[in-house]
Amino acid sequence: NAGVTQTPKFQVLKTGQSMTLQCAQDMNHEYMSWYRQDPGMGLRLIHYSVGAGITDQGEVPNGYNVSRSTTEDFPLRLLSAAPSQTSVYFCASRSGELEQYFGPGTRLTVT
Amino acid sequence: AQSVTQPDIHITVSEGASLELRCNYSYGATPYLFWYVQSPGQGLQLLLKYFSGDTLVQGIKGFEAEFKRSQSSFNLRKPSVHWSDAAEYFCAVGPGGYQKVTFGTGTKLQVIP
Repeated sequence: NAGVTQTPKFQVLKTGQSMTLQCAQDMNHEYMSWYRQDPGMGLRLIHYSVGAGITDQGEVPNGYNVSRSTTEDFPLRLLSAAPSQTSVYFCASRSGELEQYFGPGTRLTVT
Repeated sequence: AQSVTQPDIHITVSEGASLELRCNYSYGATPYLFWYVQSPGQGLQLLLKYFSGDTLVQGIKGFEAEFKRSQSSFNLRKPSVHWSDAAEYFCAVGPGGYQKVTFGTGTKLQVIP
């Protein structure tokens, strides 16, 4: 099992550009989520999904879109990047009440 | 709404000394509680979790945590810290099932020789 994989590991964007952060898991987990991590803020939930075709907003959803067409994949889209979106992004998955498994993260810089 | 407080932003301990990291939570019912560790440049790894039963929970790498309902706390402990324990530690709380998990702001542990 590869677990949770994320691509790319690093990305630099200019303000206004768009991009998609990829996340995939091979554990057949129903629940997937995206967090951003900023110094002193811990992890904040952006969006989550409880199954294919079902997504919902977390604490900080503005500026981000998600979709869940398959159980395995949960991409995060930035439609028009802003410097405030400079952060480290983590994808996670879990099955029901079990613990979450985290990907290695994507470090995004928006200039 | 659920919340987690980790009052210590940064802690420094000597190698071989004992460690206690504090975590206080707010949740109306019995929560699901977690401790995660994050090494520099890495993702988060689960150390231990509490769902129900014995309030003293054993985890990986020699860590343990005790759930104290009366104090709304879930403090992480280790009797003897190793240099490799230097990392950031996150406490998290959730209601279970497919509900959202809320993370604390983290405690950064420095280990000095």
